[in-house]
Amino acid sequence: AQSVTQLGSHVSVSEGALVLLRCNYSSSVPPYLFWYVQYPNQGLQLLLKYTTGATLVKGINGFEAEFKKSETSFHLTKPSAHMSDAAEYFCAVSESGGSNYKLTFGKGTLLTVNP
Amino acid sequence: DGGITQSPKYLFRKEGQNVTLSCEQNLNHDAMYWYRQDPGQGLRLIYYSQIVNDFQKGDIAEGYSVSREKKESFPLTVTSAQKNPTAFYLCASGLAGGFYEQFFGPGTRLTVL
Repeated sequence: AQSVTQLGSHVSVSEGALVLLRCNYSSSVPPYLFWYVQYPNQGLQLLLKYTTGATLVKGINGFEAEFKKSETSFHLTKPSAHMSDAAEYFCAVSESGGSNYKLTFGKGTLLTVNP
Repeated sequence: DGGITQSPKYLFRKEGQNVTLSCEQNLNHDAMYWYRQDPGQGLRLIYYSQIVNDFQKGDIAEGYSVSREKKESFPLTVTSAQKNPTAFYLCASGLAGGFYEQFFGPGTRLTVL
C-alpha cells in the first residue's frame, strides 16, 4: 500500500517569506500526486496535481510543487507567504486495487503566517 | 452551480443512536468517498463507491454503513457500534476508473454526547 509522510505537522513563516511544505511518498508504481488546502471547518480544495510530464507543477494561489522521483518527494513551495495562506495542507498519492482507485493522504501540515 | 453538498453542517446525537450524514453531488461523478478527519490524523477513508449499487470498505469501515442507490447520493450511517464517532466527516466525489482528483464537500461535524 502507498503511504505519504509530511514532515512537520506545523510550519510557521513570516509574511513575505518562502513557504516550503515537505511531502515524501512510497509507491510501487509511478505515482499521481496531489496537494490540497483546507481552511478551518471547510472541505479540501485542490491546489495542484502531478500526473505525467513536466515535473514542476504550478497550482493556484502562487503555489508550485516539484516531483523528484529519485527522492520520492513532492514538496510544495510558494516564494512569498501571504496571511491568507494560513491553513492546513495535505499531500496525497493515488493508488489502485484492481478497478478501484483511491487516494492516500498524509497527516497534514498546519501553516501559520505571522505578520 | 455544480458541487457537493453535505448536510447538516453540525450534528449532535446521544450515545447509542444511529445517525445518517447526507452527501449529494451534481457533478455527474461516478465515484464517491467518505472520510473521517480527526486532529493530527489526516483523512482516513471509511467507504468508497465507484458505481451505483456497489461500494467497498476503506481503512476504518467498522461501525459505519453506506448505500449507493443513486449516482448523486452516498449517505453514511454512523452506527452505535462505532466506539468514538465524534469527528469531522468529509464526502468527496470524482471520475472513476483512473487516478483522478477528488472534489470535496464542506463537511459535517458530528458530536456524540
